[in-house]
Amino acid sequence: ETGVTQSPTHLIKTRGQQVTLRCSSQSGHNTVSWYQQALGQGPQFIFQYYREEENGRGNFPPRFSGLQFPNYSSELNVNALELDDSALYLCASSPRGEKTDTQYFGPGTRLTVL
Amino acid sequence: GQQVMQIPQYQHVQEGEDFTTYCNSSTTLSNIQWYKQRPGGHPVFLIQLVKSGEVKKQKRLTFQFGEAKKNSSLHITATQTTDVGTYFCAGTQGAQKLVFGQGTRLTINP
Repeated sequence: ETGVTQSPTHLIKTRGQQVTLRCSSQSGHNTVSWYQQALGQGPQFIFQYYREEENGRGNFPPRFSGLQFPNYSSELNVNALELDDSALYLCASSPRGEKTDTQYFGPGTRLTVL
Repeated sequence: GQQVMQIPQYQHVQEGEDFTTYCNSSTTLSNIQWYKQRPGGHPVFLIQLVKSGEVKKQKRLTFQFGEAKKNSSLHITATQTTDVGTYFCAGTQGAQKLVFGQGTRLTINP
């Protein structure tokens, strides 16, 4: 186990609603990255937080936003949910915020948008 | 932007057969990482390759990074049922964060 935890495990929302997903990073890690994994696809990078600041963003619209707290835990917020947002959302922590860092993934949150 | 492609998308083998998945990038990569995701699970880090032409082994798994740092492969010798899962490569280029391939799903007939 990586020591990365995510909550909730599963979530069902309807189109137009807002959702907040949470992640606790592995002890000693100051960087959290969020990924979206659609069924049958590889994880797609949403954004990364390093020491409470956004440190890179993938090709996702502004309705995907995030936060990192002083204890390095993180939240992913998605507004105005769309059907295509249905996916597994993975949080990964890493020790330094460098691109060569190993990603230690949490178990994920399965989001279903109806 | 950077793209990482993996082939094949699916591979079904008899237990004991070998398995290879290939990863190709449209651009030169700084490094490449390999992850394994069991059905219903999350990606788990296997290895990182950084040097041109690098070869690393982990028991029955052999990882290669191409001379031009644009391709990589993972070869499993004598597959076992515990090898079932989806194997992802992920690379970085320039300042970009990790870009994952779409994965190769391995199923094994015991």
